[in-house]
Amino acid sequence: ETGVTQSPTHLIKTRGQQVTLRCSSQSGHNTVSWYQQALGQGPQFIFQYYREEENGRGNFPPRFSGLQFPNYSSELNVNALELDDSALYLCASSPRGEETQYFGPGTRLLVL
Amino acid sequence: GQNIDQPTEMTATEGAIVQINCTYQTSGFNGLFWYQQHAGEAPTFLSYNVLDGLEEKGRFSSFLSRSKGYSYLLLKELQMKDSASYLCAVRDALSGSARQLTFGSGTQLTVLP
Repeated sequence: ETGVTQSPTHLIKTRGQQVTLRCSSQSGHNTVSWYQQALGQGPQFIFQYYREEENGRGNFPPRFSGLQFPNYSSELNVNALELDDSALYLCASSPRGEETQYFGPGTRLLVL
Repeated sequence: GQNIDQPTEMTATEGAIVQINCTYQTSGFNGLFWYQQHAGEAPTFLSYNVLDGLEEKGRFSSFLSRSKGYSYLLLKELQMKDSASYLCAVRDALSGSARQLTFGSGTQLTVLP
């Protein structure tokens, strides 16, 4: 158990819709990262938030956006969904001063 | 950019030892991680190497050679529950304050009875 939770566990959307995924990490975990994992691949870094501000971004378009809140929760928003957005979305948090990232169980998104 | 290579699949027998290799090419280097991921579940942290050498943690050990851009994960006394995907991930120095990890595609290990 990492203490990182995500909701919902599964989600089905249609092309063009918008989706919000949620993550809640432990107290004291002030860094949260979001990853996209396609089937049979390793996770790909989307972005990271530290103290409620984005402080790093991978090669994802602006329709992927996020928020981090003071209570250690965060959101990943994806607009104008495309079929290729179908994947497992993972949230990972790091305790203050630690390098290790601890992953939540993920949200599996299917775009039809 | 980053390039991380690891074998796609490996098979081993219960009770045996298996070594999963990972090679990487990065613009900088700031640590290498190994994660275990069972099907349909989240990756779980196994090890972190930032200096050269071997780190041992129970049945699992991880080795790093920064000059060769090479790491391996060694699993001893294999158990059926070790059947999973093993992910190698590198944090490059260009990430700055961001703890951005670049993952390999994973090695699917199957442990046979």
